[in-house]
Amino acid sequence: EADIYQTPRYLVIGTGKKITLECSQTMGHDKMYWYQQDPGMELHLIHYSYGVNSTEKGDLSSESTVSRIRTEHFPLTLESARPSHTSQYLCASSGYRNEKLFFGSGTQLSVL
Amino acid sequence: AQTVTQSQPEMSVQEAETVTLSCTYDTSESDYYLFWYKQPPSRQMILVIRQEAYKQQNATENRFSVNFQKAAKSFSLKISDSQLGDAAMYFCAYRSAIRNSNYQLIWGAGTKLIIKP
Repeated sequence: EADIYQTPRYLVIGTGKKITLECSQTMGHDKMYWYQQDPGMELHLIHYSYGVNSTEKGDLSSESTVSRIRTEHFPLTLESARPSHTSQYLCASSGYRNEKLFFGSGTQLSVL
Repeated sequence: AQTVTQSQPEMSVQEAETVTLSCTYDTSESDYYLFWYKQPPSRQMILVIRQEAYKQQNATENRFSVNFQKAAKSFSLKISDSQLGDAAMYFCAYRSAIRNSNYQLIWGAGTKLIIKP
């Protein structure tokens, strides 16, 4: 049902590497979000955007950065990955009233 | 600040039986939305059901229904005729309906639902 895509699905990298997690949606949604989730745990909002050139930090402090140059694209970047960044990253989007979130399949990141 | 509490880290139910997942929340607002999301293993999170606080009638979606008790700040999810495909993490979430809020969801910690064949 959801037209929101995340790549890669799994990523294993070494410490210090720069990575970008991709997220795209084809629904024309203005609002997009990045959540961090450890296995079996709650979601923590790390970044959100309410439109092009708009980005805000979420409740959970994160060393990652995001950009929103196009409505459909909301990539997340880690300049220098560390083992503490190992987690699942979920991208989501919603329409005008934010009454329903559409989620991507997530990226499982492992930093060695 | 609003909080959402799911007191059952894990629940199990026999296939075809009924199970209820609990959720309580704390807020001083009178207008808000409540949600149940389902996260199957290695699959996308999807919305199961949504309740507007101003509606007294409990929301229902096929085998899924809620028991919304506004005064008690309780929002439980009932799954009838449980199926193997219902096995997942279930998250309860709250969102303010105040116009000037940032519309962010407040999430519970989740309940893992196991279906026994």
